[in-house]
Formats: sequence, structure tokens, C-alpha cells
Amino acid sequence: GESVGLHLPTLSVQEGDNSIINCAYSNSASDYFIWYKQESGKGPQFIIDIRSNMDKRQGQRVTVLLNKTVKHLSLQIAATQPGDSAVYFCAERGGSYIPTFGRGTSLIVHP
Amino acid sequence: DAGVIQSPRHEVTEMGQEVTLRCKPISGHNSLFWYRQTMMRGLELLIYFNNNVPIDDSGMPEDRFSAKMPNASFSTLKIQPSEPRDSAVYFCASSLMGDDEQFFGPGTRLTVL
Repeated sequence: GESVGLHLPTLSVQEGDNSIINCAYSNSASDYFIWYKQESGKGPQFIIDIRSNMDKRQGQRVTVLLNKTVKHLSLQIAATQPGDSAVYFCAERGGSYIPTFGRGTSLIVHP
Repeated sequence: DAGVIQSPRHEVTEMGQEVTLRCKPISGHNSLFWYRQTMMRGLELLIYFNNNVPIDDSGMPEDRFSAKMPNASFSTLKIQPSEPRDSAVYFCASSLMGDDEQFFGPGTRLTVL
């Protein structure tokens, strides 16, 4: 999950396993949520988004789940591959265009 | 499309010097965002432009920071004078409309000695 500390939380998985990355958000008025992937030396890259009127959205190998009751968001990656190794950020957005980013979770995939 | 272009990719300067970071958004996008990323504070929004007009600059840390967007295809972020605590990776992002998916550039890694 997200952290306010200096070190990013890290999730280590074996290639082929499913990964679940969690995120707790703070603003109950947020109505749009985004997951980004950031590889070393690159900018964040959009993965998948979900609006607050949904609780699940699926993409290619990725699924985002939203639980508004407990303000929790998760990203599930199926059959994780070494190329999935990166830092994953969740972002929430309320009435403005400005997203608030979480601190990120480092995913390490071992071959 | 080449995506969002930022220059330079790396900048090393001494405290007190002026630093100018440059960004070319994706053609046709009318919203542009400047972010700063550090391990301590994560990804922070500095300023947001819509149709070349600054909409929200509440994230700009101090008067030493200024940003301009003279036209739809170019923006600058200037730090004058720079300080060691400004060392970070600075990202520019653009989107078609303000509330659409943001596309990030590769970032500029700034080191102020």
C-alpha cells in the first residue's frame, strides 16, 4: 500500500504470479481514480482508470477495484512479467482537474 | 507523435545559478502540467496551464520558481536563484483537455550543488 515514509513499500513476486497493489485514498469527494506505472528513468505512464460510479474495471492483464466505503483502491496484475517491474502510483481526483498522487509502491518481479 | 518532449534531460548547476527547464507538449493538447518528484515528497503538482493560461500555481514552492507558456507548443519552468533543495526530477505532462489522461514527458533530473 501507500506510505508516508521515506522508503517506498515494495512488493516482490515471482514471474507468472498475480500481483495486487493497494492504495488508500483520503478524499471522500474524489470521483476519478487512476493508476500509473513509472519505470526507472521514465515519466509515469497511464495504466487504467476508474470512475466512482464503478467498483471494478478490467484492462489487458490489469484490473482495478474500487471500494468507496473504505476509500480503498487496488490494482491487480495477472501473470506478472519482469517487464511489469516498476513503481506504481494511484492518483485521485475530485472536482478539479488536479490529481493527487500517492507515494507509490515498488513492484519487483523475479524471473 | 513523439510524445511530450523535455529538455535538458539532466542538469547540474551550482547554487545561485538560474535554471530553465523546457517542455513541448503533445501537439493538439491544450492542458499542460509541471510536476516535481522527490523521494521525500513524491510527485507534486507545481502549476497547471489551460490554453496557455496559468490556472493553478498554488503548488509553486516560492517566488524563485516561475513558469510561462508563451504558445501552445512550448513551456518553461525557471528557478532563479536555484538552491540544493530544488534538486529533483521535474516532469511536464499534457492532456487533450484538463480532465483527460495526462501524458508525461521523460523528466529533467536537476542537481543543484
